Amino acid sequence: DIVLTQSPALAVSLGQRATISCRASQSVSTSSYNLMHWYQQKPGEQPKLLIYDASNLASGIPVRFSGSGSGTDFTLTINPVQADDIATYYCQQSRELPFTFGSGTKLEIK
Amino acid sequence: QVQLQQSGAELAKPGSSVKISCKASGYTFTSYYISWIKQTTGQGLEYIGYINTGSGGTNYNEKFKGKATLTVDKSSSTAFMQLSSLTPDDSAVYYCARGRLPGWYFDFWGPGTMVTVSS
Repeated sequence: DIVLTQSPALAVSLGQRATISCRASQSVSTSSYNLMHWYQQKPGEQPKLLIYDASNLASGIPVRFSGSGSGTDFTLTINPVQADDIATYYCQQSRELPFTFGSGTKLEIK
Repeated sequence: QVQLQQSGAELAKPGSSVKISCKASGYTFTSYYISWIKQTTGQGLEYIGYINTGSGGTNYNEKFKGKATLTVDKSSSTAFMQLSSLTPDDSAVYYCARGRLPGWYFDFWGPGTMVTVSS
């Protein structure tokens, strides 16, 4: 299975930039797609899709969220961070079955 | 608007089975796959499998073969997951989610169903 590695937590100040990384144990890119996706989960809620195919903003998601990367290294950026962004962020790969998720990065306010 | 409505929390005894439902609305049910995902505090998010809601074809994570059975009722736009031979390790929140191709990401999620296995 493809293992996705995320840092457990990240502390940032409101109004600053947050950069959340996800590293895959093997490439999750094809010639056409970068098959990495990002979700936000707040306590007691279901995950919400933020970014698909590494860099595409999901419908209704604010433009302060962006994604980048290819191959094995991917980044979710939130700029500027707002209080409502406090949540856990997960990456997910769909290059190979079984689809796998990272362990999540908890965004905290400094 | 797209909605996935899941059945309520389950309290089950070890060795028994439960069947969770996921009723879709707001879109053409058979145009999208439904996946199931397990969430625990210790293991995070785990992909269980998906079902092709049009054909009934399925894919299972090897880890959940023999544990989960995915079915669908097109007439009611509802997907089901049966979990069998329950153990305390099956205690978790289970989500259904709509799968989008070709990228295979999950654009809408149900609110989750908590399953607790205890004697």
